[in-house]
Amino acid sequence: AQKVTQAQTEISVVEKEDVTLDCVYETRDTTYYLFWYKQPPSGELVFLIRRNSFDEQNEISGRYSWNFQKSTSSFNFTITASQVVDSAVYFCALLLYNQGGKLIFGQGTELSVKP
Amino acid sequence: DTAVSQTPKYLVTQMGNDKSIKCEQNLGHDTMYWYKQDSKKFLKIMFSYNNKELIINETVPNRFSPKSPDKAHLNLHINSLELGDSAVYFCASSQEAGHSYNEQFFGPGTRLTVL
Repeated sequence: AQKVTQAQTEISVVEKEDVTLDCVYETRDTTYYLFWYKQPPSGELVFLIRRNSFDEQNEISGRYSWNFQKSTSSFNFTITASQVVDSAVYFCALLLYNQGGKLIFGQGTELSVKP
Repeated sequence: DTAVSQTPKYLVTQMGNDKSIKCEQNLGHDTMYWYKQDSKKFLKIMFSYNNKELIINETVPNRFSPKSPDKAHLNLHINSLELGDSAVYFCASSQEAGHSYNEQFFGPGTRLTVL
């Protein structure tokens, strides 16, 4: 079965704290893609990152960083020095190569950053 | 310079009515999708089209019928609306690159409320 689990439903931090959002996925496929999307209170879905299953390099983009570990089937997302504008629901998603581009989303983690 | 647009943004209607949601993308992508986001923020794919051909057809009531007149448009028609159809519907598009899947760009969403 293919599945994405984001065990943290809600996280609340104070501005400037670092925060890590967990994502664990399940698939038996060897070729797949992992994504993170942000959904701010305004409701749109904003693409953050894509990773394919053959590329385990970690990535850093400004205050954002991602840690992909196939050994634990995890693709965690860290925000360093969080800001109030980071408040949003964050979704991790799995795309299986052999299923026509279907994105399987996790339940989402609602991050609240307080001033 | 809107990338993926949807109309209407809000749709309030009575049970039993038939309604349509329109989606257009100006990114030149060849694949388009419909997703449903329920009241708990859970996102689930409904359909996808590639160059006007239906690729993904999830377990969705046949009251829902997608129509793709060309590769830039994917409309969603819903017959005999039910209370449980109330949700936010997102259109998305992506461009397959050879044997790779790129990120999906999402429209702003259509909030459907069935009374």
